[in-house]
Amino acid sequence: GDSVTQMEGPVTLSEEAFLTINCTYTATGYPSLFWYVQYPGEGLQLLLKATKADDKGSNKGFEATYRKETTSFHLEKGSVQVSDSAVYFCALILGGSQGNLIFGKGTKLSVKP
Amino acid sequence: GAVVSQHPSRVICKSGTSVKIECRSLDFQATTMFWYRQFPKQSLMLMATSNEGSKATYEQGVEKDKFLINHASLTLSTLTVTSAHPEDSSFYICSARGAEGQRHSPLHFGNGTRLTVT
Repeated sequence: GDSVTQMEGPVTLSEEAFLTINCTYTATGYPSLFWYVQYPGEGLQLLLKATKADDKGSNKGFEATYRKETTSFHLEKGSVQVSDSAVYFCALILGGSQGNLIFGKGTKLSVKP
Repeated sequence: GAVVSQHPSRVICKSGTSVKIECRSLDFQATTMFWYRQFPKQSLMLMATSNEGSKATYEQGVEKDKFLINHASLTLSTLTVTSAHPEDSSFYICSARGAEGQRHSPLHFGNGTRLTVT
């Protein structure tokens, strides 16, 4: 069935390190892809999105490119900060659905000073 | 930007009682609202989808008589956990999409409700 798989955490990095969180998906049709972030004690916030192949979403220094050939949407940031510590969720919306999101399991990122 | 307010943020109740969680869209009309449940160290699982003025559509395995969802207006949806038991303890999150939004538009999320049933 349709699903999202993202790398298991936790991921611990030092400040200014390079971040990659892998995300791959399985879906029929042409989904839209999202990264959501959940800061400690808070709800989910949209971080970035891409709606078609080769689109690149970017926000707050984070980037992800919709790769149809590899069914991937990896999240990257060149230099992480302590304030980036959070749980990151990769998600997709299917073309034929009402628009509910299918989430990956989330990856917890801890950035140490 | 669009804001979704969810209340309460935390609630502790005794087993057998009912708890109501409210989800409000503050600056837009939400024709569709989704309710998710987040288990510890796991992803969000969709419980149900509600459209304003109609009955909610529940996902397989979700007891509709236990998790009552009402979407009576374009700005308010409620989730009532009836006769709560300790296994219902979880983090519940609502999300909403505005009337003008396209199906693939991002959802706006509330801050969640931590329910603890003792």
